[in-house]
Amino acid sequence: ELKVEQNPLFLSMQEGKNYTIYCNYSTTSDRLYWYRQDPGKSLESLFVLLSNGAVKQEGRLMASLDTKARLSTLHITAAVHDLSATYFCAVDPALTQGGSEKLVFGKGTKLTVNP
Amino acid sequence: GAGVSQTPSNKVTEKGKYVELRCDPISGHTALYWYRQSLGQGPEFLIYFQGTGAADDSGLPNDRFFAVRPEGSVSTLKIQRTERGDSAVYLCASSSFRQGVDEQFFGPGTRLTVL
Repeated sequence: ELKVEQNPLFLSMQEGKNYTIYCNYSTTSDRLYWYRQDPGKSLESLFVLLSNGAVKQEGRLMASLDTKARLSTLHITAAVHDLSATYFCAVDPALTQGGSEKLVFGKGTKLTVNP
Repeated sequence: GAGVSQTPSNKVTEKGKYVELRCDPISGHTALYWYRQSLGQGPEFLIYFQGTGAADDSGLPNDRFFAVRPEGSVSTLKIQRTERGDSAVYLCASSSFRQGVDEQFFGPGTRLTVL
């Protein structure tokens, strides 16, 4: 059974600082997704990582995937208050080439950026 | 274009009652997914449709839960004899596998409260 673990689960940081959120998963997969969720809202797709060594950046967020280590990271650069949200990583356990079948989510990292 | 929509946004019911939750996927998306998110947790997979058929219903917790997608578009999640433990946000997502990329887009969710 695929397990996805995120850490930390709670992160409080000051504006302007850098930090990394980690996502470990237990079985082979080469498809990993990062989502953002604001309180009371649904999930917003941030990144889709489809191969070993994939790196994607959008604004102050950068995500990477190491399939051999079964690890993805979400790096935050010079945090701003607007980044406060809960961030989820999700892994697709499907090994066949083709469409996603289901996602297994981590518990989420609640990020609070203080002015 | 329009995103995934779900109705109702909130549903309060009494223990033992029957409820139906509706999902309208993004037009043209062939795959549709239902997830359940409890407070402070990541979404948990319930069922996945490819077209009209349920390709994977392994996440449905018991036989009180059932979902249909009769015409390959709108889906309804049905819960019989609701229990207090069914209280959660029910999320629907849809996707379309194109050019090697498959990304699930989530709706706003239905918050179900069983009293």
